[in-house]
Amino acid sequence: DAGVTQSPTHLIKTRGQQVTLRCSPKSGHDTVSWYQQALGQGPQFIFQYYEEEERQRGNFPDRFSGHQFPNYSSELNVNALLLGDSALYLCASSFRDSGANVLTFGAGSRLTVL
Amino acid sequence: AQSVTQPDIHITVSEGASLELRCNYSYGATPYLFWYVQSPGQGLQLLLKYFSGDTLVQGIKGFEAEFKRSQSSFNLRKPSVHWSDAAEYFCAVGTNAGNNRKLIWGLGTSLAVNP
Repeated sequence: DAGVTQSPTHLIKTRGQQVTLRCSPKSGHDTVSWYQQALGQGPQFIFQYYEEEERQRGNFPDRFSGHQFPNYSSELNVNALLLGDSALYLCASSFRDSGANVLTFGAGSRLTVL
Repeated sequence: AQSVTQPDIHITVSEGASLELRCNYSYGATPYLFWYVQSPGQGLQLLLKYFSGDTLVQGIKGFEAEFKRSQSSFNLRKPSVHWSDAAEYFCAVGTNAGNNRKLIWGLGTSLAVNP
């Protein structure tokens, strides 16, 4: 049973570019959350998708957007990249009706902005 | 506002010694509490969680944690540390209130284990 898979694992972009990160949730999970983890920090909640809609959003600008597909997979898009966007981006999946939000995390996508 | 504090940024213990990692939270209602571990280059793995009931919870890899409402704490313990336990440990608080299902995280505690 595959867990949460993310791609790419590493990528390098320059300021002003756009990036798309992808996530496939764990089998049986229907909810995807995205977190940003800067070096030496704890994860910061970006947003959560359920039934192909953004259900909740953290304190991130509109440059961060996402999408969830009918098969529950998800994408995170970041436009007009800034140096400060360099971080590990973590995708987590869960089953919404399980009650409390027990998350299963992927290994992350390491984004470096030059 | 919800918040999580992990007072210890870095801890070093000897292999075989006991371990306690501290976590304090601020939340108005009954929280859901979690401990996750992150090894270098890896994602976050759930060690244990507290939702309700017995305040002493057992997790994987021999870890346990105790919820103390009066102290707003959820400290992680292990009686005998192994070298493979060296990693970053994160405490998090979550809620199932309405549509608010995000987790609030501490800054983490980095654990080093001396042979």
